[in-house]
Formats: sequence, structure tokens, C-alpha cells
Amino acid sequence: DAGVIQSPRHEVTEMGQEVTLRCKPISGHNSLFWYRQTMMRGLELLIYFNNNVPIDDSGMPEDRFSAKMPNASFSTLKIQPSEPRDSAVYFCASSPGTRGNTIYFGEGSWLTVV
Amino acid sequence: AQSVTQLGSHVSVSEGALVLLRCNYSSSVPPYLFWYVQYPNQGLQLLLKYTTGATLVKGINGFEAEFKKSETSFHLTKPSAHMSDAAEYFCAVSDSARQLTFGSGTQLTVLP
Repeated sequence: DAGVIQSPRHEVTEMGQEVTLRCKPISGHNSLFWYRQTMMRGLELLIYFNNNVPIDDSGMPEDRFSAKMPNASFSTLKIQPSEPRDSAVYFCASSPGTRGNTIYFGEGSWLTVV
Repeated sequence: AQSVTQLGSHVSVSEGALVLLRCNYSSSVPPYLFWYVQYPNQGLQLLLKYTTGATLVKGINGFEAEFKKSETSFHLTKPSAHMSDAAEYFCAVSDSARQLTFGSGTQLTVLP
């Protein structure tokens, strides 16, 4: 079975540009998570969805960040405008949605903003 | 609120030696506990988890962890380290919500 699929795997962009990261969760999973990983702050939960509805977005750093889940098989994380401090690895993850279920991670999108 | 503390951001062991990675948690309800491993340039992969039942949990690649409520700990062990175990290891806790709170990670180095 296919795991969580993220694109792009690597992106280099200039400050001020819009960045869109994409995620396809595992089929049948009800919960989707966006995490950010940096050396300084470790793994941070940005937002999570249950049944396509955003449940907790308290981790979204600021208004430049937005996330959508228009259907059960697709989600986007958008940064507009991007800044150098947004450089990080962004992980999408999904789970069947019940507490205690394993959360499965994608390979990550490596973002560099110059 | 829930939190996880991983003692030691870097641990080095010799090949064949015992691996012990420490994790302490804080949770307002009985916790569900997880260990994930991250190899370079990859996502996180589940090693093992504790939800209910037996407090000694066995995972993949010969790892195991024991839930000790009295010590609020969930330390990860492996009797004999292999070079392929070199990676970053994350402990995580879930209380009443669906998401996980991760520790800061422990980088394991295995020396030949």
C-alpha cells in the first residue's frame, strides 16, 4: 500500500514567494497532520484535520501560513509570503483517527527560503 | 497538558553494547506512549507503542520499552546495538486527543 505522499520533496524559493506543499494521506485515514521540523525547535505540530475539518491550528506560526483539506485524499500547506526563517522540513502524516492509532509520516518536504 | 522529556540529545554506544534511550512524560490522563525512529533524510517510522495492557512492549528491529507509571517513564532499550541502529529517536505521548506531542529527540551513534 502507498504511504503518505508529499510533494515537492525539495523546494528552494526566494523570500517573498508563495510556497505550496501538498499531501496525499493514506486511503481510509480520517486524521491528517502537518508538522514542521527544525534544528532549533524540533518537531512542531502546525495543524491537524479530522474528517477534512481543521480541529487544532494553534501551532500555525502566523497568518502567512494556511492549510486546507478540500477532500479526504488531499491537503495543502501554503506559505505566503515566505521568509528565510520558514526554512525547515515539513511533514505530513495521517492516521485512522482514533487515539492510540499509529500516525504514519510522509518523507517530508525540504523547504529552503533564500 | 502533556509533555515529553528525552534525557540526552546525543547517545553513543559501541556496536554490540546495550542501547538505553530515556523518556519521561507528563500527562493528565493515562497516556498512550510511542517511540519513533528517523533515519537521515526520511520521515518518522513507528518503532513501538504502548496503549493498554502489558507494560513491556516489543517493537521492530529488536527494540523494546517498558511503561513505568510510578516513574512516568517509557525508556527504550535494545540488548545489542547494530550499526544500522544509528538514527534519531523520538518519544511521543498522546493523552486525550488524537495528536502526538514529541520529545526533542535523541541522536544515537553506534561506534564500530
